[in-house]
Amino acid sequence: RKEVEQDPGPFNVPEGATVAFNCTYSNSASQSFFWYRQDCRKEPKLLMSVYSSGNEDGRFTAQLNRASQYISLLIRDSKLSDSATYLCVVNMFDSWGKLQFGAGTQVVVTP
Amino acid sequence: DADVTQTPRNRITKTGKRIMLECSQTKGHDRMYWYRQDPGLGLRLIYYSFDVKDINKGEISDGYSVSRQAQAKFSLSLESAIPNQTALYFCATSDGTVTYNEQFFGPGTRLTVL
Repeated sequence: RKEVEQDPGPFNVPEGATVAFNCTYSNSASQSFFWYRQDCRKEPKLLMSVYSSGNEDGRFTAQLNRASQYISLLIRDSKLSDSATYLCVVNMFDSWGKLQFGAGTQVVVTP
Repeated sequence: DADVTQTPRNRITKTGKRIMLECSQTKGHDRMYWYRQDPGLGLRLIYYSFDVKDINKGEISDGYSVSRQAQAKFSLSLESAIPNQTALYFCATSDGTVTYNEQFFGPGTRLTVL
């Protein structure tokens, strides 16, 4: 079983619609959680950190459910520029910086 | 100018050849990492370094070696390349003084081993 699992998609989303997807992690001792965005053949970039209380950054909302060991990302009012692969990233044990990456969920926003 | 740079950006080599991938950063971060990315898999950590005198193996270090020449430079070597080392390689840095620190990635090196 993978440490971090994601639905690979693609999620095909009409422009302006809302899309949401989850990521599950296997280690209950995981400390911190992130969503990274990766455009095709480009480097991953931090989209947002995920806090226990959930957090919002503009059109993006991230939620953490420790009991069920998953995090979610919701994108409202999708833009064409949101088309990318979204990587779920988990800091497994401590804060020294070792991250475990999911394989990513592809989102395709269509006109 | 990019904060994290990688050279070369693309490389095709033959089985058995030695190859070095280089990474430089201007962010002043003490921590540096090498990852590889394969289709359908997440990024996997090859090696990481917390400072010039610190080198640690990641989850897939076999067949690779690294050198931390300076705080700003971290190179990855494949001593004898094999086809299953064909992948996209990323270097990353992070600020060790910050809890839950963000990692900043270079643009990647696409390596093909024939």
